[in-house]
Amino acid sequence: DVVVTQSPLSLPVTLGQSASISCRSSQSLASSGGDTLLDWFHQRPGQSPRRLIHGVSKRDSGVPDRFSGGGSGTDFTLKISRVEAEDIGIYYCFQYAHRPHTFGPGTKLEIK
Amino acid sequence: EVQLVESGGGLVQPGGSLRLSCPTSGFSFTSSWMNWVRQAPGKGLEWVANINPGGEGKFYVDSVRGRFTISRDNAKSSLYLQMNSLRVEDTALFYCVAWAGDSCYWGRGTLVTVSS
Repeated sequence: DVVVTQSPLSLPVTLGQSASISCRSSQSLASSGGDTLLDWFHQRPGQSPRRLIHGVSKRDSGVPDRFSGGGSGTDFTLKISRVEAEDIGIYYCFQYAHRPHTFGPGTKLEIK
Repeated sequence: EVQLVESGGGLVQPGGSLRLSCPTSGFSFTSSWMNWVRQAPGKGLEWVANINPGGEGKFYVDSVRGRFTISRDNAKSSLYLQMNSLRVEDTALFYCVAWAGDSCYWGRGTLVTVSS
């Protein structure tokens, strides 16, 4: 199975500052069709997850442009500029290039 | 308004069975890949299974293959998960998740507790 790792696992951030989360996969997530199959999800406490980014860098509808995704192959990054209080929770990357699909372990963002 | 409403969870003894249901509305179910994702108490997300729009392609994580069966009824816009031979380690909140074009929709989940 493809192993997905994230760092850091805990991310204390000051309001208004930027944050960055790294996601690495044990195999390339590039598909034969040219797309790279990596999404980012955010789960607030007590809520269902919500997808933020699909296909590495495409923001889902309604997602603020403070969120950006990048990377290729096996190395990916989620960047949050100007962190707001509503950004707290756990961020997961998710690969669907290989079966079984797998989530990373999650990165818990908290406000300092 | 998009709705995915899971039901069918509950308390079951090890070795028992449950059938989860997820009726949906507000998006094109018949053209959407549908997934089950679970989250054990206090733990991260785990993809469990998915099914293609026509229902012929079904895929599972190794730990449930042979015990769980995913299915769908496109006429009812509903997704199902038949779970047999349940184990203590299957205890989790089970989410129904739709990949609908460029959108991704989640339900609120149904809790499955496997305990004697």
